[in-house]
Amino acid sequence: DTGVSQNPRHKITKRGQNVTFRCDPISEHNRLYWYRQTLGQGPEFLTYFQNEAQLEKSRLLSDRFSAERPKGSFSTLEIQRTEQGDSAMYLCAISGGDGGTYNEQFFGPGTRLTVL
Amino acid sequence: GENVEQHPSTLSVQEGDSAVIKCTYSDSASNYFPWYKQELGKGPQLIIDIRSNVGEKKDQRIAVTLNKTAKHFSLHITETQPEDSAVYFCAASITGTASKLTFGTGTRLQVTL
Repeated sequence: DTGVSQNPRHKITKRGQNVTFRCDPISEHNRLYWYRQTLGQGPEFLTYFQNEAQLEKSRLLSDRFSAERPKGSFSTLEIQRTEQGDSAMYLCAISGGDGGTYNEQFFGPGTRLTVL
Repeated sequence: GENVEQHPSTLSVQEGDSAVIKCTYSDSASNYFPWYKQELGKGPQLIIDIRSNVGEKKDQRIAVTLNKTAKHFSLHITETQPEDSAVYFCAASITGTASKLTFGTGTRLQVTL
């Protein structure tokens, strides 16, 4: 158990629909990251939060994507007007908790999105 | 930006043999190199990491080596067991910044009986 839960675990949607994923760290962690993983590839960085502030976004994060971490605890990732190319595993990772460093990132189980 | 290459893409070994996975990175500023194990349907699990001020690190059957000059690092698994079968990813990051990880493309390790 990495201390990160993600919901839903699986999401099937039709092209053009909006979807929202949630990431819940069990305990307080300063940093929260979102990554995307397509089949047969390693995870790719999307964005990260330092507490509630979103500090960096990848160019992969088009304007259809938005992420929030309103209280510095859980985070949501929304994709508007989904496209088939958005089909992937969306992973949340945390670091900087319990006096730990920001180096070590611990991943949740991911949300697998399928866009039909 | 950083680019991480990983080889081989697949690796099959017999139980008890050793397995070695190699990665190279492009950004000389990278100074933190973790390795993750990912089983089917699960998120990546951190198994070992190494920082640029260390050349080698070992944890039971797993060891990682780093050659900063050549910009490559390797994962060594000894006495492999069937439960070691999974996809392994190397990654690189620069500490003190966003510390975002750049991953390799993964190695599918199959340990046969």
